[in-house]
Amino acid sequence: AQKVTQAQTEISVVEKEDVTLDCVYETRDTTYYLFWYKQPPSGELVFLIRRNSFDEQNEISGRYSWNFQKSTSSFNFTITASQVVDSAVYFCALTSQGGYGGSQGNLIFGKGTKLSVKP
Amino acid sequence: GAGVSQSPRYKVAKRGQDVALRCDPISGHVSLFWYQQALGQGPEFLTYFQNEAQLDKSGLPSDRFFAERPEGSVSTLKIQRTQQEDSAVYLCASRPARNEQFFGPGTRLTVL
Repeated sequence: AQKVTQAQTEISVVEKEDVTLDCVYETRDTTYYLFWYKQPPSGELVFLIRRNSFDEQNEISGRYSWNFQKSTSSFNFTITASQVVDSAVYFCALTSQGGYGGSQGNLIFGKGTKLSVKP
Repeated sequence: GAGVSQSPRYKVAKRGQDVALRCDPISGHVSLFWYQQALGQGPEFLTYFQNEAQLDKSGLPSDRFFAERPEGSVSTLKIQRTQQEDSAVYLCASRPARNEQFFGPGTRLTVL
C-alpha cells in the first residue's frame, strides 16, 4: 500500500526563522513521484514541487528547499527566513505512474502540516 | 479562465437532498480527478477520468456518489440522498499528460 505520513500536525514559528516540514512515504513501486502542495486559507491547493524517484538531487527555489532521501523514504521541505505569507497548510503527496487499479496517477496525500508564521 | 474552476463554491444541503458539483478543467487537459477533503485532513481520491472515460472510481465512498464527464471536458460530481458525513470540500484537479495536477478552489458542501 502507498502511504504518506506528515507527523507534524502544527508548527508555529516567528518570522525569519527557518522551518522544516517532514514527510515520510511508503510505496512498493520503483517509479514514483513526490509532491508538495501549499493550501492557503483560500483553500486552493498550490503546486510547489514534483520529484521523481530516480532524481535524489536536492532542489532550492528561492527560500524553499527540498531534501529527498530514498534511504529513509523522506522528502522534507525547508523554508528559510519564513514570512507571514508562508502561513498555510502544506501537504506532501505521492503517486506512481500506472498505479494500482489503473488509477493512473491519483495523488496520495498526507494529513498536512499547518504552519503559522507570526510577525 | 486560465485555471480550474468549480461551482458552486459553497453548497448547503438538507440531509436527503441530491447535489451536483461542477468542475471546469483547464482547456486541453486530458486527465481529471475528484478528491474529497474532510476538515483537518488531506484530500482523498474519489475518481479519475481520461477524456470522457471514467477509468477509476475506486475512491467513491458509496453508490450514492456518481461522476460523469460526457464530452471529455466539464465534469459533474453528483451525490444522491446526502448524509451528514458527506460534508467536506470537494476538489477537482486536471492534468496535462504526465505532469503535476492543477487544483480548483473546491466546493465546500455542508449537509445539515
